[in-house]
Amino acid sequence: AQSVTQLDSQVPVFEEAPVELRCNYSSSVSVYLFWYVQYPNQGLQLLLKYLSGSTLVKGINGFEAEFNKSQTSFHLRKPSVHISDTAEYFCAVSDPYNQGGKLIFGQGTELSVKP
Amino acid sequence: EAGVAQSPRYKIIEKRQSVAFWCNPISGHATLYWYQQILGQGPKLLIQFQNNGVVDDSQLPKDRFSAERLKGVDSTLKIQPAKLEDSAVYLCASSLRGGVMETQYFGPGTRLLVL
Repeated sequence: AQSVTQLDSQVPVFEEAPVELRCNYSSSVSVYLFWYVQYPNQGLQLLLKYLSGSTLVKGINGFEAEFNKSQTSFHLRKPSVHISDTAEYFCAVSDPYNQGGKLIFGQGTELSVKP
Repeated sequence: EAGVAQSPRYKIIEKRQSVAFWCNPISGHATLYWYQQILGQGPKLLIQFQNNGVVDDSQLPKDRFSAERLKGVDSTLKIQPAKLEDSAVYLCASSLRGGVMETQYFGPGTRLLVL
């Protein structure tokens, strides 16, 4: 069975500093990987996704993530964060052979950007 | 383009009472998902519809939860009777055809508190 582990429940960081949110997955088959962001009192919004090809994926709002198959990781990075990046971030995985597109989410990482 | 609409946004009920949530997906989206997000956890898929048929309801507690999507558009999720552990945010999402590579678009959620 697939699972996702987000290694940090909370990440405090100062504005304009770089940030990395860590995500590891376990799966016996190939996977698709996603990062979603959830702003307070809003639904989830897709940041980026890895389906195939280049292991470095660029998303919206200056975020990027790198797929590392050997380490089964998909860490999210941003070189310089803004106050507006304060939100909860979820890593998710889906099975390419599951035609329904079911997503399995990690527990979430709360990013708090301080001035 | 209008997003996924959900109502109500908040609901407080006592245990053993009944409650219903409504979701209107993005126009033209054939696939609709209901997720349960318990505080401190990532969303968990409860049920997935393709048009008005159920694709996956393996994690739906069928003794108390029910869902329908009669005309392949709007959907209703019901809990009867509610338990304390049902306190959560219920998220509705939709995608165009439900393919595994497609983006799921989420509504703002309904926050349920069971006392």
